[in-house]
Amino acid sequence: SQQGEEDPQALSIQEGENATMNCSYKTSINNLQWYRQNSGRGLVHLILIRSNEREKHSGRLRVTLDTSKKSSSLLITASRAADTASYFCAYPTGTASKLTFGTGTRLQVTL
Amino acid sequence: NAGVTQTPKFQVLKTGQSMTLQCAQDMNHEYMSWYRQDPGMGLRLIHYSVGAGITDQGEVPNGYNVSRSTTEDFPLRLLSAAPSQTSVYFCASSSAGTSPSEQYFGPGTRLTVT
Repeated sequence: SQQGEEDPQALSIQEGENATMNCSYKTSINNLQWYRQNSGRGLVHLILIRSNEREKHSGRLRVTLDTSKKSSSLLITASRAADTASYFCAYPTGTASKLTFGTGTRLQVTL
Repeated sequence: NAGVTQTPKFQVLKTGQSMTLQCAQDMNHEYMSWYRQDPGMGLRLIHYSVGAGITDQGEVPNGYNVSRSTTEDFPLRLLSAAPSQTSVYFCASSSAGTSPSEQYFGPGTRLTVT
């Protein structure tokens, strides 16, 4: 399987703290994406980073990409209770550009 | 825009029954795909389409059929339901034709096969 691995599988922090989750993948990619899934809902796209970018910011999100290590990280700064969700990395794989998802990190932000 | 819509939201089937999960998008996206989500497994790609009349298999295609007769619709057919197909099914679309950009997801269909 080319499914990516994410760690940690679960993360519990207090409001105001930063949350970092990591994604490792197995193939060469031209972009990597992060998605959020609230409980019982569909996934929502957060941010896309291209292979020629090392870091990208969007609001309280910071994504890094290290293609030599085949890894990416998502940092959420000053977390809020509303950030409680599962977070998935995703990237195209194969010659037909199929999107493969990581196994996800469940983030719990408590007051 | 309604975005990506899926019907039904919930479905219970008996082993051996067939059914079609509906997916529609109103964003004129070329790329559409079906995923299943199981606990601890993340999302796995079942089938995808890069345009009307073009479909291909993903990671876990067995037991499922798709067709893409229009840009808007991408139904997923379960031929003979099995308990192993109990899962949450998500449809997604994106604007890129052959290289996916950000994907827009529907709300999901929760399927139970008894």
